[in-house]
Amino acid sequence: EAQVTQNPRYLITVTGKKLTVTCSQNMNHEYMSWYRQDPGLGLRQIYYSMNVEVTDKGDVPEGYKVSRKEKRNFPLILESPSPNQTSLYFCASSSSVNTEAFFGQGTRLTVV
Amino acid sequence: AQSVTQLGSHVSVSEGALVLLRCNYSSSVPPYLFWYVQYPNQGLQLLLKYTSAATLVKGINGFEAEFKKSETSFHLTKPSAHMSDAAEYFCAVSDSDSYGKLTFGQGTILTVHP
Repeated sequence: EAQVTQNPRYLITVTGKKLTVTCSQNMNHEYMSWYRQDPGLGLRQIYYSMNVEVTDKGDVPEGYKVSRKEKRNFPLILESPSPNQTSLYFCASSSSVNTEAFFGQGTRLTVV
Repeated sequence: AQSVTQLGSHVSVSEGALVLLRCNYSSSVPPYLFWYVQYPNQGLQLLLKYTSAATLVKGINGFEAEFKKSETSFHLTKPSAHMSDAAEYFCAVSDSDSYGKLTFGQGTILTVHP
């Protein structure tokens, strides 16, 4: 089954404790991205990747890092989480720009 | 910069009534337009997309949307609402200059009453 898998689904952490949210897709897609969803703001892009070793900032990249060492994986790293990063996070992949994006189930992160 | 405006953060309809969710976009180049649906505790699922073919686009679950360039709109409609349509709906736009980035509207929560 074609899918984007994120882990964990739910995470509560404390301010400053480094964390990684994993994302993996099995569709051999080149394009992957991370979004955060906040009430009344829709989804905003954090980072994206056009291919292996090619990443770039989206609209809200501050406080986040990403890497793309393999085509299928695109982890999101919060080096020092803060409460304003409490949000619902989605990973997405697509075969190319402007085609349908497939979304993971989401990771609900709470930073206390 | 692209932007997407969804008019109405909440829309409530009766079962069997027409569903109309509004979306207006701004884009300096011909856009690609999408509607996604999000059911509770789930990711986003594509309903339909416009990619410069027919202006009336049919999607899944009986939904359709019409691209109107003169109005920069891409409103989503369904003739008869079902209880199962209750969800949050997002309009999104991308274009050839945006490297595939989707710019989303704020979302519209659809409630369907019996």
